[in-house]
Amino acid sequence: DTAVSQTPKYLVTQMGNDKSIKCEQNLGHDTMYWYKQDSKKFLKIMFSYNNKELIINETVPNRFSPKSPDKAHLNLHINSLELGDSAVYFCASSLPGQGNNEQFFGPGTRLTVL
Amino acid sequence: GEDVEQSLFLSVREGDSSVINCTYTDSSSTYLYWYKQEPGAGLQLLTYIFSNMDMKQDQRLTVLLNKKDKHLSLRIADTQTGDSAIYFCAEKWDSNYQLIWGAGTKLIIKP
Repeated sequence: DTAVSQTPKYLVTQMGNDKSIKCEQNLGHDTMYWYKQDSKKFLKIMFSYNNKELIINETVPNRFSPKSPDKAHLNLHINSLELGDSAVYFCASSLPGQGNNEQFFGPGTRLTVL
Repeated sequence: GEDVEQSLFLSVREGDSSVINCTYTDSSSTYLYWYKQEPGAGLQLLTYIFSNMDMKQDQRLTVLLNKKDKHLSLRIADTQTGDSAIYFCAEKWDSNYQLIWGAGTKLIIKP
């Protein structure tokens, strides 16, 4: 299946732990994104990479560090997790400059910090 | 600064038309989008309109764009229970990878 996939789908962890969320797209897109969706469903862009280079880095605590080993993968590592990090994290990808620049979203990772 | 605004909730009866509204502030938008998020899922592009268009129709969906008022609407005819979702309005500027997102409108269908 061509898609954006994320692992894990659910992540429950204790405060202070370090965790990673992985994202892969097989759509051949150049650009990938991480979004955070809070309990009120507000969607906030966190990072964007284009061809493995960081192009958008919104005001996000530096405990969050994205890593793009290649243009098909964008992983998100979070250090010293806090209660306020609990949210659903979505990965997305797109091919800017082509057509309508649709962003394709992964299914989300629900992070719960206890 | 840039801003996209939408009402947070809309409740309609099954079979009626739903109209979800959105206002945006930046006149340099090139594309405007409606994304749909079903419960427990990621967002999916529902429809979009290019900024030089006034209207776009796709089966039960009608998108209207009023550039003068910076107003975008999505009309869903004959609303069904499967249309229950959150609908996000978003705009794209010409030379920017980023989309500017509204807060999402939760569409509630009453039987």
